[in-house]
Amino acid sequence: EAGVTQFPSHSVIEKGQTVTLRCDPISGHDNLYWYRRVMGKEIKFLLHFVKESKQDESGMPNNRFLAERTGGTYSTLKVQPAELEDSGVYFCASSQDRARGSYEQYFGPGTRLTVT
Amino acid sequence: RKEVEQDPGPFNVPEGATVAFNCTYSNSASQSFFWYRQDCRKEPKLLMSVYSSGNEDGRFTAQLNRASQYISLLIRDSKLSDSATYLCVVNIWSGGSNYKLTFGKGTLLTVNP
Repeated sequence: EAGVTQFPSHSVIEKGQTVTLRCDPISGHDNLYWYRRVMGKEIKFLLHFVKESKQDESGMPNNRFLAERTGGTYSTLKVQPAELEDSGVYFCASSQDRARGSYEQYFGPGTRLTVT
Repeated sequence: RKEVEQDPGPFNVPEGATVAFNCTYSNSASQSFFWYRQDCRKEPKLLMSVYSSGNEDGRFTAQLNRASQYISLLIRDSKLSDSATYLCVVNIWSGGSNYKLTFGKGTLLTVNP
């Protein structure tokens, strides 16, 4: 079974530019999450999709971040315009339907974003 | 107070040693508890879930004390391949039907030959 995949693995952009990160969850996983780790800090929750709906976006830093999950499959996270403090590693994770009792989340390899 | 606090580490131990990781959490509404390991520049990988009764998986034993809001992970007979950062992770109820994983900062373990 394929795991969570993310694209790109690395991105270096200049301040003010736009970047779009993509996540493909494990097939059949309704729940998709975005997380971010900035240097020296712990991994922080950004938002949670259930299928195509945003269930919880309380962790999104500001309105420069836009996440979508059209059709309930893959998700994109767009940062526009990027700022220096957006640099970090962005992880995506997925889990099965919570009703089946699984809270275990499986992480993708992450996208390392550097804003210069 | 941080929501999830871990031993800051780092831990350096010889092969074969027993090593213990400690973690406390502040939110009593926490529902589920996990230990993840993260290798350098890799994603977190689920090591084990932690149940109230305690659970064991080979050389790894996890314990949960809800009254003290404390979680532990014990690694026995440590191997070189156990070298990684160990993340204490708590699934916290955040309102309505929402839960979110909250991470500790991690404890770096290096097992030396």
